[in-house]
Parts: sequence; structure tokens; C-alpha cells
Amino acid sequence: EVQLVQSGAEVKKPGESLKISCKGSGYSFTNYWIGWVRQMPGKGLEWMGIIYPGDSDTKYSPSFQGQVTFSADKSISTAYLQWSSLKASDTAMYYCARRVAANYFDYWGQGTLVTVSS
Amino acid sequence: SYVLTQPPSVSVAPGKTASITCGGNYIGSKSVHWYQQKPGQAPVLVIYYDSDRPSGIPERFSGSNSGNTATLTISRVEAGDEADYYCQVWDSSSDHVFGTGTKVTVL
Repeated sequence: EVQLVQSGAEVKKPGESLKISCKGSGYSFTNYWIGWVRQMPGKGLEWMGIIYPGDSDTKYSPSFQGQVTFSADKSISTAYLQWSSLKASDTAMYYCARRVAANYFDYWGQGTLVTVSS
Repeated sequence: SYVLTQPPSVSVAPGKTASITCGGNYIGSKSVHWYQQKPGQAPVLVIYYDSDRPSGIPERFSGSNSGNTATLTISRVEAGDEADYYCQVWDSSSDHVFGTGTKVTVL
């Protein structure tokens, strides 16, 4: 069974750094892109970008380029999303999802809620 | 950038048919995928490649795509279909794009 399990909710202060994770199981983790999607409170889905765990190739949405960093550790089938300096506007639910070759997302993680508040 | 426009809300009585549109420039030339998101849950893929259903998705969910509009149709609507629905495409200039989302309310 394909599963993506994300790390737990985080509460941070502005300016702090953060790294959240997404662990895949039940499939060959290195053979599929992992996408990251932001959902701000009460809002819609926003595509942030994708990473290919096989070689850590990345593609960022222009809206998120330079604001976040994707990484992956294929030895433990885990992808990461990180911030070096959080802002209050980063408060949102963040989802990882497996992207198939036809450019859609067939399995999703349960989401990680990030709250940034002073 | 490529934009996908959905109606903010659709209301439907139980047992009736709900149609959710997704408008985009020449969207008929692209593959459209649809996701259902119930309150407090992660999105779930309900239609891919315009009209294909993943295993486990009821036949009541169907899709079509032509011209500048793609449509997700839910037949014989049930209370459990109440959710937000998002269309999504891949565009060569904008990469992955999600629609604005439609809240389906079952009356």
C-alpha cells in the first residue's frame, strides 16, 4: 500500500528555521517525483514545486523560488521542505503528494500544519 | 501564467446531479485531473486524464473536457460528496496549476 506520512504540526516564531518531512512507503521512492502543495487557512491549493528523490532534481514554482528549499534522503525514503527564516504569512497546511508521469498527484500525505506567530 | 477558473460554490439536492466547471484557455488540449477535499482531510484524486476514475472512486463521478471548459459531474449526489473540488492541469509555461476550487453543498 502506497503511503506518504508527514511530520507533525509545528509552532514557530517569525525568523526561525524549520524542516518538515514526508516519508514514502509501499513503492519505489526514487522513481516518482514528490510535489509540495500549500493551503493557507480557508484558501485553495497552491503548487510549490517538486523534487525527484532519485537524483534530487528540483523544480520550484516562481512564487516559491528562493523562499523554500526541497531536499530528499533516498536512503530513508524521505523528502523535506525547509525554510531558513519563517514569516507569519507561511502559516498554512503543507501537503506532500506523489506525482506520476502524467503530471497528476495520485497519493497525498496527511498534511503538516505550520503556524508562525510571535 | 495559466489560470483555471472554477465557480466558488455549487449547491445540489441529494439524488440530483452536480456539475462543476473548470475554465481555462484551450483547456480541451490538456489533460485535466480532479481532486476532492473534505473538511480537515487531505485531497483525494477522483478523476484523472479528463475522465478516468482511480480504483475505489464511485462510478457516480465522471469527467469531460472540451474547448475552454472541463467538467466534473457527480450523479446521484450523496451527503458524503459534500467537499471542495479542485481541477488541475500541467502547462508547459506554468507547470502544475490548480483551479480556484468549488465548494459543493448538499442541500
